[in-house]
Amino acid sequence: QVQLVESGGGLVNPGGSLRLSCAASGFTFSDSYINWIRQAPGKGLEWISYISSTGSTIYYADSVKGRFTVSRDNAKKSLYLQMNSLRAEDTAVYYCARFRDYYVLGSYSDAFDIWGQGTMVTVSS
Amino acid sequence: SSELTQDPAISVALGQTVRITCQGDSLRTYYASWYQQKPGQAPVLVIFGKNNRPSGIPDRFSGSTSGNTTSLTITGAQAEDEGDYYCNSRHSSGDHWVFGGGTKLTVL
Repeated sequence: QVQLVESGGGLVNPGGSLRLSCAASGFTFSDSYINWIRQAPGKGLEWISYISSTGSTIYYADSVKGRFTVSRDNAKKSLYLQMNSLRAEDTAVYYCARFRDYYVLGSYSDAFDIWGQGTMVTVSS
Repeated sequence: SSELTQDPAISVALGQTVRITCQGDSLRTYYASWYQQKPGQAPVLVIFGKNNRPSGIPDRFSGSTSGNTTSLTITGAQAEDEGDYYCNSRHSSGDHWVFGGGTKLTVL
């Protein structure tokens, strides 16, 4: 079964740290590009990070750059998000999502085709 | 604020057709993808590219793009289509992605 499963969420004090994990199964993780996307309570989706299949290319949203670090271990089929200097506005459900690019009739497109169920991070004292 | 703009809410009568739109400069460069999200659940990809549906998505869902506007059309909306719909595209810079603010669809 193709799936992503996040873990590691919880309650943390402002300024604290947390490490999220995303475990993959049912597909070739080492060939896959993975993203982190979050959703604050009652709000919309916010893309926050991308990592290429080998980890050689990484992108971050400005809102987390310098505080969050994404990494992966292809041998363990796992993705990680190290979150430091957490703020109240980081409170959200964090999803990992597989990114795929497509070439259909000569046209390029991309999308997040597999999503985990999410893990909740609450930053509060 | 989102760089992709969506109407916050739309309603449609059962069995009728509804179009959900998304506007943004990045759509002149990159195709959008559309996601359906129901309460308490993760988003699900429903349309990507010019007009492509992943396996398992009903053919009443379709997509189109013109200029800086992309649309998701549901032809013959069903009760189970209620939920939030988000558009997404790569940013014009190419190094990040943006989501629209989401459209809450109500099927009456």
